[in-house]
Amino acid sequence: DAGITQSPRHKVTETGTPVTLRCHQTENHRYMYWYRQDPGHGLRLIHYSYGVKDTDKGEVSDGYSVSRSKTEDFLLTLESATSSQTSVYFCATGQEHYGYTFGSGTRLTVV
Amino acid sequence: GENVEQHPSTLSVQEGDSAVIKCTYSDSASNYFPWYKQELGKRPQLIIDIRSNVGEKKDQRIAVTLNKTAKHFSLHITETQPEDSAVYFCAARYYGGSQGNLIFGKGTKLSVKP
Repeated sequence: DAGITQSPRHKVTETGTPVTLRCHQTENHRYMYWYRQDPGHGLRLIHYSYGVKDTDKGEVSDGYSVSRSKTEDFLLTLESATSSQTSVYFCATGQEHYGYTFGSGTRLTVV
Repeated sequence: GENVEQHPSTLSVQEGDSAVIKCTYSDSASNYFPWYKQELGKRPQLIIDIRSNVGEKKDQRIAVTLNKTAKHFSLHITETQPEDSAVYFCAARYYGGSQGNLIFGKGTKLSVKP
């Protein structure tokens, strides 16, 4: 969907470096989410936001932080990347009581 | 918290046959159950959903059923085609935290053989 874009699409980074992934939406949705997808684990929620400056932890939040200074942008930061954070990261947006729309994903490799 | 179990993890069918994927959830307060299809290398996309006040919903070749008492819901695909090959995820909306977030099953890889 053109309404939600993630950047970058691919990234290779070294262990110990900080990494920021960006999610941008044009749908004016209140809710935004960051998931990671790994083989055998499905989609696991990292952090979510229910408004500007309102964020909360998901089930796998350790090692990640988020920020939402504008309705349209939701940033995911790995403060010090580790190999266990190699994954595909999906951003999603949603409205209350409805399903989510996912971005195209960011493939992150930590070497 | 909510836990969503999905079975089977892989499913192989012949073209034209039916496919059924089943999910169970643990929180009786969950009231919204979407299904997503993810083709290789692409994003998950919503294909059908059902709410707890409905027992069944159909959309052409796909249908979803919900049994609230047993806390399970299923995806049914009839007359399968090769383009149905993908990973399918079920989810349940969980209200245990401050917001109703979707908790996903681990996925079912469906292969439709021509």
